[in-house]
Amino acid sequence: DTAVSQTPKYLVTQMGNDKSIKCEQNLGHDTMYWYKQDSKKFLKIMFSYNNKELIINETVPNRFSPKSPDKAHLNLHINSLELGDSAVYFCASSQDMAVQETQYFGPGTRLLVL
Amino acid sequence: SQKIEQNSEALNIQEGKTATLTCNYTNYSPAYLQWYRQDPGRGPVFLLLIRENEKEKRKERLKVTFDTTLKQSLFHITASQPADSATYLCALVDQTGANNLFFGTGTRLTVIP
Repeated sequence: DTAVSQTPKYLVTQMGNDKSIKCEQNLGHDTMYWYKQDSKKFLKIMFSYNNKELIINETVPNRFSPKSPDKAHLNLHINSLELGDSAVYFCASSQDMAVQETQYFGPGTRLLVL
Repeated sequence: SQKIEQNSEALNIQEGKTATLTCNYTNYSPAYLQWYRQDPGRGPVFLLLIRENEKEKRKERLKVTFDTTLKQSLFHITASQPADSATYLCALVDQTGANNLFFGTGTRLTVIP
């Protein structure tokens, strides 16, 4: 009965590789998000997405790309991984993009780039 | 530049006391301010939301205040318990954008039995 799930939970990889993190929500929500939490525990929005609109935080490198095969999934693809990409990545969802909607977070994917 | 600062990185209090956490923001026009709890190794969990035209919101032992003049929100946990120990994050939704949450730096609360 997990609301927002992410796989894998841990990801260790070499610099320069390409990797993907999967996210699924079973809440029937229209909007999904990706956040990055760095080593100082600072949580920062990367993308917000529904079937009509993708909003990209301008500070996110174009090596990061969200891909949504359907409304319940928003995967994060990362090309040419760099050391600075090491962080915890959280997926979240909300009913829609209305500003008052609560967001539900997944458990996080801990990425370590060596 | 835009900032959301939670003044205490860590806060220790005795069980039964009231914990008060502070969130200050600069160069935002928040439509809503939310508080989340994050336990180690887990994602944030929503606790409370307060709108810009609301002064105070309560839920059980939790209370949030929002002062748009001071650009500050206070988060109170009354009759604190060791189970309340966690990191608490404030987050705001700016009026200018979509439902993107901008998070504060977090306060790690420890309630000592």
